[in-house]
Amino acid sequence: NAGVTQTPKFQVLKTGQSMTLQCAQDMNHEYMSWYRQDPGMGLRLIHYSVGAGITDQGEVPNGYNVSRSTTEDFPLRLLSAAPSQTSVYFCASSYGDGLAEAFFGQGTRLTVV
Amino acid sequence: GQQVMQIPQYQHVQEGEDFTTYCNSSTTLSNIQWYKQRPGGHPVFLIQLVKSGEVKKQKRLTFQFGEAKKNSSLHITATQTTDVGTYFCARLGNDYKLSFGAGTTVTVRA
Repeated sequence: NAGVTQTPKFQVLKTGQSMTLQCAQDMNHEYMSWYRQDPGMGLRLIHYSVGAGITDQGEVPNGYNVSRSTTEDFPLRLLSAAPSQTSVYFCASSYGDGLAEAFFGQGTRLTVV
Repeated sequence: GQQVMQIPQYQHVQEGEDFTTYCNSSTTLSNIQWYKQRPGGHPVFLIQLVKSGEVKKQKRLTFQFGEAKKNSSLHITATQTTDVGTYFCARLGNDYKLSFGAGTTVTVRA
């Protein structure tokens, strides 16, 4: 099993550009989520999904969109990149029993100039 | 949202010494999870605590859930260079959101 796969690993964007961060998991997990990590602030939840067709906002959703058309994939879209979105982004997935561990992808380091 | 607070933010430890990092909440927690992130890496699950007063050990790591289920601690004995990284606690809410603390970043002096 590959686990949770994120692409790309690194990305530089110009202010105003849009892009999609990809996340795929092959563990048949119901729950998937996106976090951003900034120095001293831990991991902050952007959006999450409890199953295909269902998404909800996390702590810092502004400027990001998600969709969950399949169980495996949970892409994160930046609509119009801003320097404040420079961060490391992690995708995570877990089983649907609510108490299981979260598996994280390797992360995407995004710089917006 | 309901957050978990971690202290200290940074922990500088002499190799071989022990240290403890703490995770506190103003509300009762149904569970607490601990993760470790090595420098440049991604968070990796260590353990989950569910019961009041629960204590679990993993080799040199001891995890504890408070009696009131409002705090948790991670104690590492005889610190090694392999313990370097950031340790996060996280709570899983009824809304299925996993909320993380800011983490304790550990450095080790050889």
